Amino acid sequence: DTEVTQTPKHLVMGMTNKKSLKCEQHMGHRAMYWYKQKAKKPPELMFVYSYEKLSINESVPSRFSPECPNSSLLNLHLHALQPEDSALYLCASSRYTGTGSYEQYFGPGTRLTVT
Amino acid sequence: DAKTTQPPSMDCAEGRAANLPCNHSTISGNEYVYWYRQIHSQGPQYIIHGLKNNETNEMASLIITEDRKSSTLILPHATLRDTAVYYCIVSPLGNTPLVFGKGTRLSVIA
Repeated sequence: DTEVTQTPKHLVMGMTNKKSLKCEQHMGHRAMYWYKQKAKKPPELMFVYSYEKLSINESVPSRFSPECPNSSLLNLHLHALQPEDSALYLCASSRYTGTGSYEQYFGPGTRLTVT
Repeated sequence: DAKTTQPPSMDCAEGRAANLPCNHSTISGNEYVYWYRQIHSQGPQYIIHGLKNNETNEMASLIITEDRKSSTLILPHATLRDTAVYYCIVSPLGNTPLVFGKGTRLSVIA
């Protein structure tokens, strides 16, 4: 199994809703990431989990709350989002390739629309 | 900020080699060059990476200049399915997050 899965594929939510994005990998990777990608822009890092602990938070607003319940699962809890938060949310995990380099595997993303 | 410069777009005829350049003039000795691509509405996909030597795998070849200030990704026989945005990323040793630049939009034309 060499894939990262993300659910749901699409999500439409109102500004007062609470929803969660889910990411799963069964490759034994111990680092997992959330990226945000606005239309026609490159992905931007949001959070990094290493060995199930949050290691990097790129000054993301608190309306985004990450969670790593175990080494295979990563969640992103959403609350009181704004329309400008509409984007493709990408999850990734990384594999050590040897000699200090790593390869990241990305999921297909969740396309979020905030109305 | 991204440490690489790439042309915003390129075209390539189907079946021909696609050569995608990348400048990374401020690269440090402990930084790798990685290439990823993103096909429309999908997550980015790893292609290849290298430190100093040229590298080849089943997808592509990576040519790094001797001074390491630039590199070229070569897709030897481009197909329509290679149409994507290609990102050249410089990243230090270790498990560090990727910093994406604007990439090159490659269009393979029949």
